[in-house]
Amino acid sequence: GAVVSQHPSWVICKSGTSVKIECRSLDFQATTMFWYRQFPKQSLMLMATSNEGSKATYEQGVEKDKFLINHASLTLSTLTVTSAHPEDSSFYICSARDPRGGHNQPQHFGDGTRLSIL
Amino acid sequence: AQSVAQPEDQVNVAEGNPLTVKCTYSVSGNPYLFWYVQYPNRGLQFLLKYITGDNLVKGSYGFEAEFNKSQTSFHLKKPSALVSDSALYFCAVRDPIGGNNRLAFGKGNQVVVIP
Repeated sequence: GAVVSQHPSWVICKSGTSVKIECRSLDFQATTMFWYRQFPKQSLMLMATSNEGSKATYEQGVEKDKFLINHASLTLSTLTVTSAHPEDSSFYICSARDPRGGHNQPQHFGDGTRLSIL
Repeated sequence: AQSVAQPEDQVNVAEGNPLTVKCTYSVSGNPYLFWYVQYPNRGLQFLLKYITGDNLVKGSYGFEAEFNKSQTSFHLKKPSALVSDSALYFCAVRDPIGGNNRLAFGKGNQVVVIP
């Protein structure tokens, strides 16, 4: 079945560092990928929709200069948290929908990245 | 805009007993409904979906869900819960017409299966 791989799983770094998270669709091509943020024991908050070959669509309240998204190929989207600070510490999850089979296919999720900023 | 409500924060059930996790939805057209499960420090795993057809949908790990249009509900059920079913469960809805492919998630339900 469709698989989404996310890397790295854990990141611990100092305040002010920029961190890049990769999301890959392993056996399908994804023109659209989604980036979510999840706080402990809470639901997923959609941050942005990543569109292959064009600019990402950010949700209201999400700083596009803070969370840079690049979707340069049909199998890879990256999220870069620029100049990260402790308040950016969170669990970040990506997802993609396999377009094969039509519009009723579920989104498939990566395993998430736990980001801790010291 | 589409939305999902999961009214309970936590569901406790004894091992071997039936498990029900509730979900109601709001969408302008006919909904696409999904259930996902999340284990600690992991992404979401797809359990089952309702698109059209039979109201009772069977999914992974013995889970099933019943679509009820009149009550706008899509409750998740399992006849006999296992300790390994303890996890966080999310209901999600997508509006295939006006939802631009986005999923709206409920807040999640923590399921605790007691040995």
